[in-house]
Amino acid sequence: ETGVTQSPTHLIKTRGQQVTLRCSSQSGHNTVSWYQQALGQGPQFIFQYYREEENGRGNFPPRFSGLQFPNYSSELNVNALELDDSALYLCASSLSRGAYSYNEQFFGPGTRLTVL
Amino acid sequence: AQSVTQLDSQVPVFEEAPVELRCNYSSSVSVYLFWYVQYPNQGLQLLLKYLSGSTLVKGINGFEAEFNKSQTSFHLRKPSVHISDTAEYFCAVSVDQTGANNLFFGTGTRLTVIP
Repeated sequence: ETGVTQSPTHLIKTRGQQVTLRCSSQSGHNTVSWYQQALGQGPQFIFQYYREEENGRGNFPPRFSGLQFPNYSSELNVNALELDDSALYLCASSLSRGAYSYNEQFFGPGTRLTVL
Repeated sequence: AQSVTQLDSQVPVFEEAPVELRCNYSSSVSVYLFWYVQYPNQGLQLLLKYLSGSTLVKGINGFEAEFNKSQTSFHLRKPSVHISDTAEYFCAVSVDQTGANNLFFGTGTRLTVIP
């Protein structure tokens, strides 16, 4: 069984640029959540995708957007990068049998984004 | 709204000594509770979870936690720590009404086990 994988592992960008982070969910999982973990902080929920649609969003501006593909992999896109976007971005996958049932999330190793 | 407070940002403890990492939460609805561990340069690994039933929950690596609804707490304990337990520990809550099942995390407690 393959776990959650993320790419790239590290990324350096400059202010104003755009970035795309990728996540492959664990085999058999159909739901992907994205979290931002700033240095010294706990992860903060960005959004979740279920059946290729956004299924909840945290307090992040619209320049944070995402996609989920038919194979349940996902992308996180951030436009107009700001210095405060520097963080570890974590992807978590889970198996949902309905939009309102709790399901355990399995985390990937994260992508470390540095914005200069 | 939900929030999680981890009362100690750093906890140093000697090897083979017991440890308790404290977590309090705030929520107007019923919650699910979790403890995750994060080793350096790695993602999060689930230690244990409380969904319902017995308030004493046993997890991996000898950890356990007790859900106390009246005190809105979910403290993590281990009777005897090892060097390998050195890591960052996060308490998290999830609610069952958003549909997104997103996790709200505390700011973390860094456990350092001293030889």
